[in-house]
Amino acid sequence: SQKIEQNSEALNIQEGKTATLTCNYTNYSPAYLQWYRQDPGRGPVFLLLIRENEKEKRKERLKVTFDTTLKQSLFHITASQPADSATYLCALGTTGGFKTIFGAGTRLFVKA
Amino acid sequence: DTAVSQTPKYLVTQMGNDKSIKCEQNLGHDTMYWYKQDSKKFLKIMFSYNNKELIINETVPNRFSPKSPDKAHLNLHINSLELGDSAVYFCASSQDPQGPVANYGYTFGSGTRLTVV
Repeated sequence: SQKIEQNSEALNIQEGKTATLTCNYTNYSPAYLQWYRQDPGRGPVFLLLIRENEKEKRKERLKVTFDTTLKQSLFHITASQPADSATYLCALGTTGGFKTIFGAGTRLFVKA
Repeated sequence: DTAVSQTPKYLVTQMGNDKSIKCEQNLGHDTMYWYKQDSKKFLKIMFSYNNKELIINETVPNRFSPKSPDKAHLNLHINSLELGDSAVYFCASSQDPQGPVANYGYTFGSGTRLTVV
């Protein structure tokens, strides 16, 4: 069955460092992959989308890579700040489908 | 102006009751969704509507019935509530009728925490 795996353990890093979160998937051929941020008691907020034919995408301090051979995406936050502390979800979808599958997310804590 | 708004934010009810959750979006999106987030934080799709038409109905019990009076609204009615229905329910919308292939993703509401006692 289709599976998305994100680190279930929280990631703790020091302010100013680069945070790297991992998303692995199996039994799936996504057309695109998305990353969302979710704060406690709130809905997920869309951050970035990367398509299967793209290797890397950047937006301000965020960078996403997508390796369809390894079936993995890496999400980087450079120069991290305490305000970046949240849960980050990856999600996969296929073209022509209305269904996106979400991972359980990784909790990030950035210490000042 | 809230883009996707859900009511109520919290819902505590007894087993066997019937309840509804309402959702409205003011983004002009064609597609709306209901997702369930369980205690392990997985977001699972339940239903998807495109222009008031049901296009995805995952393996959800018949006790759950979505209704879309117009493309800006998608409500969720739940009959005979059970303990296992306790979760956070999220409404979402997207611009692309083929799913969020465009660079905008889904826009989620803030969720409804349902607790069945």
